[in-house]
Amino acid sequence: GEKVEQHESTLSVREGDSAVINCTYTDTASSYFPWYKQEAGKSLHFVIDIRSNVDRKQSQRLIVLLDKKAKRFSLHITATQPEDSAIYFCAARDTGANTGKLTFGHGTILRVHP
Amino acid sequence: GPKVLQIPSHQIIDMGQMVTLNCDPVSNHLYFYWYKQILGQQMEFLVNFYNGKVMEKSKLFKDQFSVERPDGSYFTLKIQPTALEDSAVYFCASSLGRRTEVFFGKGTRLTVV
Repeated sequence: GEKVEQHESTLSVREGDSAVINCTYTDTASSYFPWYKQEAGKSLHFVIDIRSNVDRKQSQRLIVLLDKKAKRFSLHITATQPEDSAIYFCAARDTGANTGKLTFGHGTILRVHP
Repeated sequence: GPKVLQIPSHQIIDMGQMVTLNCDPVSNHLYFYWYKQILGQQMEFLVNFYNGKVMEKSKLFKDQFSVERPDGSYFTLKIQPTALEDSAVYFCASSLGRRTEVFFGKGTRLTVV
């Protein structure tokens, strides 16, 4: 089955700098890659996704890149703010499968400090 | 935005007892999921449910686990009997389709003692 590796377990950046979180996956059938943010005591909150028909997607300060050959995708948060501090999870899904199941990475604790 | 509600947020139960975790998914969603997260580890898929049936379950979904959504009410995860290793945070999720965004609840922290 699919395995998703999230390479940074913790990441500390200065406010205003960029943060990059990298994930790799194993199943070539995976074609949908969402990112979730989890703040303390709250649910996972969807932040951005990318589908395999594109290699880049941007939503305001968030950029997702996808390299299908390398089976790698990354989340770039530009001009970071203290409220970006949270745990970020990457995930992968085979949209051809019947179930909609997501396979998650371990999560990256992002700390944005002044 | 759309919300998935989970009740209770924390439950403590004696080993061997039965527990039911309740989830109120987004109202027009058709696909429902349970995920398990042990402290410090990744979120792992347990099961998904569509049209009154289990579509896929992982090896973590032991025989003691069951899910149902009677009459479009709560989507429930029942564990009977519970074991110590069932202690974890259980997240419910739902989506409109199998290719659409998945919305998660806040999780129920289950502690089996």
